[in-house]
Amino acid sequence: DGGITQSPKYLFRKEGQNVTLSCEQNLNHDAMYWYRQDPGQGLRLIYYSQIVNDFQKGDIAEGYSVSREKKESFPLTVTSAQKNPTAFYLCASSIRRGGNQPQHFGDGTRLSIL
Amino acid sequence: KQEVTQIPAALSVPEGENLVLNCSFTDSAIYNLQWFRQDPGKGLTSLLLIQSSQREQTSGRLNASLDKSSGRSTLYIAASQPGDSATYLCAVEGNTGNQFYFGTGTSLTVIP
Repeated sequence: DGGITQSPKYLFRKEGQNVTLSCEQNLNHDAMYWYRQDPGQGLRLIYYSQIVNDFQKGDIAEGYSVSREKKESFPLTVTSAQKNPTAFYLCASSIRRGGNQPQHFGDGTRLSIL
Repeated sequence: KQEVTQIPAALSVPEGENLVLNCSFTDSAIYNLQWFRQDPGKGLTSLLLIQSSQREQTSGRLNASLDKSSGRSTLYIAASQPGDSATYLCAVEGNTGNQFYFGTGTSLTVIP
């Protein structure tokens, strides 16, 4: 079955540590996205990528970094500069930006601070 | 900056009732509007996508409408079932600034 796989499901970060969240898709989609979801708030866009080796900042990119070396993969690193990392992180993909095709989401990674 | 608002924040209805969820947005410069369903601790599942040139989309018991000029969309659920219990989110894809904007969702409970 085609879809998006996020791992791990739960992740704990120590103070001063960088952690990387994995997102892999086998839908052959060009566009991929990372969102953060906090209780009582809507999803907020962290980064998105429209094509391999290209990515753009969303509204809340500070303290995060991404790479897009392969079409299938779009890992997100939460750096020590992100002072409030506790949240539910969702990865999504779509055929392309502005393509009027729905976004497909993974099942998320819940990140907590130790 | 685009703002997306969903009313009500929570809704509880008896099984079999028809219901309407509301979504409003402030900037009409959009490619499309999408409705999603989210179950607790899970990702989002796309329900319906309405392109900016369209007025409505239907899938089974779901019907979504879009009035771009007034910045409003509604999701109509017919003959609600307990399995419809979830949080429903709307999102707009802007055609400027390359951004997606989500509402905070409506938490729906259908009582058997």
